[in-house]
Amino acid sequence: NAGVTQTPKFRVLKTGQSMTLLCAQDMNHEYMYWYRQDPGMGLRLIHYSVGEGTTAKGEVPDGYNVSRLKKQNFLLGLESAAPSQTSVYFCASTSDRRSSGANVLTFGAGSRLTVL
Amino acid sequence: DAKTTQPPSMDCAEGRAANLPCNHSTISGNEYVYWYRQIHSQGPQYIIHGLKNNETNEMASLIITEDRKSSTLILPHATLRDTAVYYCIVREELPQGGSEKLVFGKGTKLTVNP
Repeated sequence: NAGVTQTPKFRVLKTGQSMTLLCAQDMNHEYMYWYRQDPGMGLRLIHYSVGEGTTAKGEVPDGYNVSRLKKQNFLLGLESAAPSQTSVYFCASTSDRRSSGANVLTFGAGSRLTVL
Repeated sequence: DAKTTQPPSMDCAEGRAANLPCNHSTISGNEYVYWYRQIHSQGPQYIIHGLKNNETNEMASLIITEDRKSSTLILPHATLRDTAVYYCIVREELPQGGSEKLVFGKGTKLTVNP
């Protein structure tokens, strides 16, 4: 049981380049989230998904796009990378809280992105 | 903004109990309190959660005041590996669906000293 797997773990981009971060979970979770974390800061929500085929904006969605074509995968795309997007990105997932009553997130190990 | 208030840092001696406080004075009746920790740039790790009653698991204990406006996470015998940033979180309902987001503030940096 791998949990939440993020690829790649590290990436260096030049300004204007595009890339996609992949998040995969094998727990059959409904909800998936992308956060970013900057030095000395807490995690900020970029986008989230409440199920296959659905996505929604979080606190800091500008400059990012997402897709959830398969339940187990949640992709985060940067169409034209900017230095302000240099950050550590974390993906998380959880099951439907309506069945569990609580919302315990399982996080991936993170993807460190540097935009030059 | 996060709905919780935590001290920015704390120190604890190895082998002693670490008591991490959290204020959440605006918590509503059906909101859970969650604790996560993040060890040096790793992904946050779930520790424990509670609603009204005190909770204990293999990692920690959670003490919630009767009015639910504050809580304390207790690591009974802190080790060096418990050095991490600890986040106290209450959920916020997301506009879409029945989901929610957990707002992570800056947390408390716990340093366990030998």
